[in-house]
Amino acid sequence: DAGVIQSPRHEVTEMGQEVTLRCKPISGHNSLFWYRQTMMRGLELLIYFNNNVPIDDSGMPEDRFSAKMPNASFSTLKIQPSEPRDSAVYFCASSFRLADNEQFFGPGTRLTVL
Amino acid sequence: SQQGEEDPQALSIQEGENATMNCSYKTSINNLQWYRQNSGRGLVHLILIRSNEREKHSGRLRVTLDTSKKSSSLLITASRAADTASYFCATDNPMDSSYKLIFGSGTRLLVRP
Repeated sequence: DAGVIQSPRHEVTEMGQEVTLRCKPISGHNSLFWYRQTMMRGLELLIYFNNNVPIDDSGMPEDRFSAKMPNASFSTLKIQPSEPRDSAVYFCASSFRLADNEQFFGPGTRLTVL
Repeated sequence: SQQGEEDPQALSIQEGENATMNCSYKTSINNLQWYRQNSGRGLVHLILIRSNEREKHSGRLRVTLDTSKKSSSLLITASRAADTASYFCATDNPMDSSYKLIFGSGTRLLVRP
């Protein structure tokens, strides 16, 4: 298995632009998590899906952030409009909910908003 | 605040020495997990210990759990330069049926050759 796949690996954009981050979870996993990591705030859970349904989006910082999971093999995290304070590494992770909830992380997307 | 908090924030040791990292948490748990993050990479699961377990081993890793003190420790024996990474504890919350994990702020380990 290729593991969790994220794209792009790096994104540099200008303030005000729309940013879309993509994630393909491990096949067979039914839980998907989006995290943001910064030096100041550490690793923050943004939103969590189970069986493609958003369960907890309390970590989504603002309405500028939205996430979708149209099917079991794909999810997106969108920021519109982006701001410099959104600069961070965004991780996607997946797990098989009914097992011990070990999470498998993707390599992350490093986002820089100028 | 974070459910899990690691201590120390940073640790520097010589290759071959043992490294001990601690994690404290606030609520009851089903299990506690430790993850490693190499620079520029995603987190990698190391070991999981359940709330009814007190100690668990995996290779050079030894994890202990004291639910009465709401704390856990991760011991890496005979450390290697390749162990240089950040280490995070993560806890779930039995009151939360979503199975989400809360990660601590991590311990940055530097193993000097």
